[in-house]
Amino acid sequence: DAMVIQNPRYQVTQFGKPVTLSCSQTLNHNVMYWYQQKSSQAPKLLFHYYDKDFNNEADTPDNFQSRRPNTSFCFLDIRSPGLGDAAMYLCATSLYLDEQFFGPGTRLTVL
Amino acid sequence: SQQGEEDPQALSIQEGENATMNCSYKTSINNLQWYRQNSGRGLVHLILIRSNEREKHSGRLRVTLDTSKKSSSLLITASRAADTASYFCATEGNTPLVFGKGTRLSVIA
Repeated sequence: DAMVIQNPRYQVTQFGKPVTLSCSQTLNHNVMYWYQQKSSQAPKLLFHYYDKDFNNEADTPDNFQSRRPNTSFCFLDIRSPGLGDAAMYLCATSLYLDEQFFGPGTRLTVL
Repeated sequence: SQQGEEDPQALSIQEGENATMNCSYKTSINNLQWYRQNSGRGLVHLILIRSNEREKHSGRLRVTLDTSKKSSSLLITASRAADTASYFCATEGNTPLVFGKGTRLSVIA
């Protein structure tokens, strides 16, 4: 089945230790998104790639970076995680800006 | 901001009853979407309604959109315990989807 895959599902890191979350898709969608969702809150868009074009949300901290080496893969890099970065990170894809298909998420714990 | 705001924040009903959730937003949109999220999981797309549509159905789901009032409603008929989840509206306009804070629905068997 076509799907959005996120690895790992659970990630534990130490304060200040860089971490990378990965997302892959078999839907051949041209748009990929990264969201941060904290407990009982709405998903918050961090950035998205429209094809190869990177679009950063204005309030996304510089600590968060992203890479999209090809259509299928997208990475979220957190350069120096703080305690406030503990959250669920959701990857999603869409064909143009239509309905989005979400992965299961990666839950990040910062110790 | 075009963030949707869902109402109520939490809703508890008996199995078999209908559940209605409302969403209001602030600016013009291209479409409005509803998503469901089970606890600790990713979001699942339920239905998309475009700005020139007023009502849409999908199985037990009925969505309405009133662009003059900048509001939408999601009706789940004959609810089941498996419908227990958080429901988010999301609006798409000049930027990609902006999610509201969600309604937590509990369906009691």
